[in-house]
Amino acid sequence: DVKVTQSSRYLVKRTGEKVFLECVQDMDHENMFWYRQDPGLGLRLIYFSYDVKMKEKGDIPEGYSVSREKKERFSLILESASTNQTSMYLCASTGTVYYEQYFGPGTRLTVT
Amino acid sequence: AQRVTQPEKLLSVFKGAPVELKCNYSYSGSPELFWYVQYSRQRLQLLLRHISRESIKGFTADLNKGETSFHLKKPFAQEEDSAMYYCALSSINQGGKLIFGQGTELSVKP
Repeated sequence: DVKVTQSSRYLVKRTGEKVFLECVQDMDHENMFWYRQDPGLGLRLIYFSYDVKMKEKGDIPEGYSVSREKKERFSLILESASTNQTSMYLCASTGTVYYEQYFGPGTRLTVT
Repeated sequence: AQRVTQPEKLLSVFKGAPVELKCNYSYSGSPELFWYVQYSRQRLQLLLRHISRESIKGFTADLNKGETSFHLKKPFAQEEDSAMYYCALSSINQGGKLIFGQGTELSVKP
């Protein structure tokens, strides 16, 4: 069974903290994505990666960075968390069937 | 600019009524359109793809290039259809990158 896991379901951090969100997939997928999901705004792409050590900016990369040291793991980093980064963060991956993205359960991040 | 628009944030219908969730897109080229669904406490998942032209869980969607629309339809809504629905656009040239709409919450009342 296809699996995308995210390190935390709920996370509460303080303004200014450095935050790491981890995503792991066990499908040997090349492509991995980070989105944030906000009511009324849908899913917005933050960063994506087509291969190990490769990354590309999505539509809203400001305030975020990513790391992909291994094929199965894609990390999202908030260098200095701010309250406007309070959101649901979704990780996804896709392989040869390029259009079918497999999503993780999401991490609800609250920055106070 | 590539864009997907879902004009309705919330659609509320009674069980057995027809449902149409609207999706309009702007894209210069040959897009591929998809519907993704997220049921309560479940992960976002692919519902259907326009190229396959199949019916999934009674839902169908037709790509209308003239009107640049890809509306999702079901003749008789069921309570278990209550969920968040996202329309998405991609191109094979973009290697899996999807552009999502704002989402429509469908509520089917008994």
